[in-house]
Amino acid sequence: ETGVTQTPRHLVMGMTNKKSLKCEQHLGHNAMYWYKQSAKKPLELMFVYNFKEQTENNSVPSRFSPECPNSSHLFLHLHTLQPEDSALYLCASSQAAGASLTEAFFGQGTRLTVV
Amino acid sequence: AQTVTQSQPEMSVQEAETVTLSCTYDTSESDYYLFWYKQPPSRQMILVIRQEAYKQQNATENRFSVNFQKAAKSFSLKISDSQLGDAAMYFCAYRSAWKTSYDKVIFGPGTSLSVIP
Repeated sequence: ETGVTQTPRHLVMGMTNKKSLKCEQHLGHNAMYWYKQSAKKPLELMFVYNFKEQTENNSVPSRFSPECPNSSHLFLHLHTLQPEDSALYLCASSQAAGASLTEAFFGQGTRLTVV
Repeated sequence: AQTVTQSQPEMSVQEAETVTLSCTYDTSESDYYLFWYKQPPSRQMILVIRQEAYKQQNATENRFSVNFQKAAKSFSLKISDSQLGDAAMYFCAYRSAWKTSYDKVIFGPGTSLSVIP
């Protein structure tokens, strides 16, 4: 248990559906991330939030829309996805620079299948 | 831009033996952090070991140790006395220590480790 919780664990959605992924951490971290993990590909950083402000958008298509209402919660809103968006979506959090712990803590991921 | 390379897509080791996973990275920065993460079939990404670039001493965590060669930009992971529970995907990762980009944790493509009973 890393202290980062993602829901749902599995999600199957049609290309016309709208769904949201949720991530929650109560570790006191200031930064939260969304990563996409596809088969046979490296982890892809999608979005980064620092102190609730988006500081990184790694050329992610607009059909993925992140939301960070506070430092403990992060959402990824999904709409009109494509089959190639099927992947494992991982949320992570970390402390800010200068802190003693520099590593990211990960959730268990949401396995997304777009049909 | 920083990159992380793991040249061994798959490795296997006999139980109780020692295995070394390779990682190289490219950066122009002098201050950074390096990590090895483990991702078992349960999908939970777990930190195995961490190394600060300014420290010359190699990090050690129980059966896990690293060989950090800063000049060669190499960061290998050695697993001693391998156990069945060590079977997983292992990712090498880089994080800048600079405040402006500290939040970018860059991962290598991973090495799948199998442990043979």
